[in-house]
Amino acid sequence: AQTVTQSQPEMSVQEAETVTLSCTYDTSENNYYLFWYKQPPSRQMILVIRQEAYKQQNATENRFSVNFQKAAKSFSLKISDSQLGDTAMYFCAFMKNNAGNNRKLIWGLGTSLGVNP
Amino acid sequence: DTAVSQTPKYLVTQMGNDKSIKCEQNLGHDTMYWYKQDSKKFLKIMFSYNNKELIINETVPNRFSPKSPDKAHLNLHINSLELGDSAVYFCASSQDLARTDTQYFGPGTRLTVL
Repeated sequence: AQTVTQSQPEMSVQEAETVTLSCTYDTSENNYYLFWYKQPPSRQMILVIRQEAYKQQNATENRFSVNFQKAAKSFSLKISDSQLGDTAMYFCAFMKNNAGNNRKLIWGLGTSLGVNP
Repeated sequence: DTAVSQTPKYLVTQMGNDKSIKCEQNLGHDTMYWYKQDSKKFLKIMFSYNNKELIINETVPNRFSPKSPDKAHLNLHINSLELGDSAVYFCASSQDLARTDTQYFGPGTRLTVL
C-alpha cells in the first residue's frame, strides 16, 4: 500500500523569504502522480502543483516549484518570495496512474505553514 | 463560475438523524469523489463514481450511501448519524480516467453531529 509522509507538522517563514516543505512517499509503482494542495483557513482545497513520475523535469508554477527525486521517493515543495496569503495547510498527495478505475489520492498529514509579516 | 459546489457548507444535526450533502460540478468531468477530513485534518477517500457508476468504495459504514443521478452530480446521504461522523466532507471531480488526473475540490461541508 502507498503511504505519504510529511515530517514537518508546522513551519513558519518570514514574508519574502523561501521555505521548503518536505514530502516522502512509499510505493512499488513506477507510474504515478504527485500533488501539492493548499488548504487556507477558508477550508477550500486548492491545487498548487502536480508532477508526473515519468517526467524528469521538476514542475514549477510561478513561485512554487518542486524537487522531485524519484529514486529517493521524495517530493518537496519550495515556495519562493513567501506571501501572507501563502499561510495555509499544505498537503502532499500521491495517486497511481493505472489504467483501471481505482484512482484515488493518498494524502499526507499536512504541514501547517505560517507566513509572518 | 463555481467549478465544484457543495451544499450546504455547514450542517449541524442531532445524533440519529438522516442528512444529505449535495455536490455538483460544471467542469464536464466524468469522475466524482467524496473525501472525509477528520478533526486532525487527515483526508481519506470514501467513494468515487465514474459516469454514474460506483468505482471506489472504501471501508465506509453502509450508513453512507452515495447517489449519482448524472455525471455532474454526486450526493452523499448519511443515515443514523453518529458523533464520529463529525468532519468536513469534500467533493471533488476529475476528467476522464484514461487521461488527466487532477482532482478539483468543492468548498467542503462541515458536518457537526451533536
